[in-house]
Amino acid sequence: GDSVTQMEGPVTLSEEAFLTINCTYTATGYPSLFWYVQYPGEGLQLLLKATKADDKGSNKGFEATYRKETTSFHLEKGSVQVSDSAVYFCALSAPPGQGAQKLVFGQGTRLTINP
Amino acid sequence: DTEVTQTPKHLVMGMTNKKSLKCEQHMGHRAMYWYKQKAKKPPELMFVYSYEKLSINESVPSRFSPECPNSSLLNLHLHALQPEDSALYLCASSLGRLGNTDSPLHFGNGTRLTVT
Repeated sequence: GDSVTQMEGPVTLSEEAFLTINCTYTATGYPSLFWYVQYPGEGLQLLLKATKADDKGSNKGFEATYRKETTSFHLEKGSVQVSDSAVYFCALSAPPGQGAQKLVFGQGTRLTINP
Repeated sequence: DTEVTQTPKHLVMGMTNKKSLKCEQHMGHRAMYWYKQKAKKPPELMFVYSYEKLSINESVPSRFSPECPNSSLLNLHLHALQPEDSALYLCASSLGRLGNTDSPLHFGNGTRLTVT
């Protein structure tokens, strides 16, 4: 079945450091790929998405490129801030069922940024 | 502010109680979801409603009973729960149009449920 594998955390960085969180997937067909972020005490928020090979999603300084040849969707940010501290989930969307989606999540990576 | 509203924020219930979780969205979304999230784990899908009809049930025990009274509301009725059911219950919605796989899910902030 479809699956998503994220690098294990927790990840601790200093402010202004470069961030990479690795994500690889296994899927039949051509899924859409997403990064969601969960701040403490909140639900998940969409950070960015890509729907086909070579698409680059970007938002709030974060970027990820849909790489079909390596089945990867790594999240990057050039200079992290304390406010980026959260849990990050990579996810893919399985084929639709009557208009709804079935998201398959990775295990999540907890990121802590120290001032 | 989240566009998906969940009530209550916190709920403590005994194993013999009956309670309900509520979720509301006014974005015109036609797909609504219940997820369960344990600490330090990703969300696990429980139920999906599409156009007010139950389309996916991920083999959830019958002590959890979903209901979709209309396109804006989603309920989760709870009865005879176990302590291991304690978790964060998240509601989400998406555009839900046929053949669409890239419409993102919008999540509420969840109900923190404790079963004693």
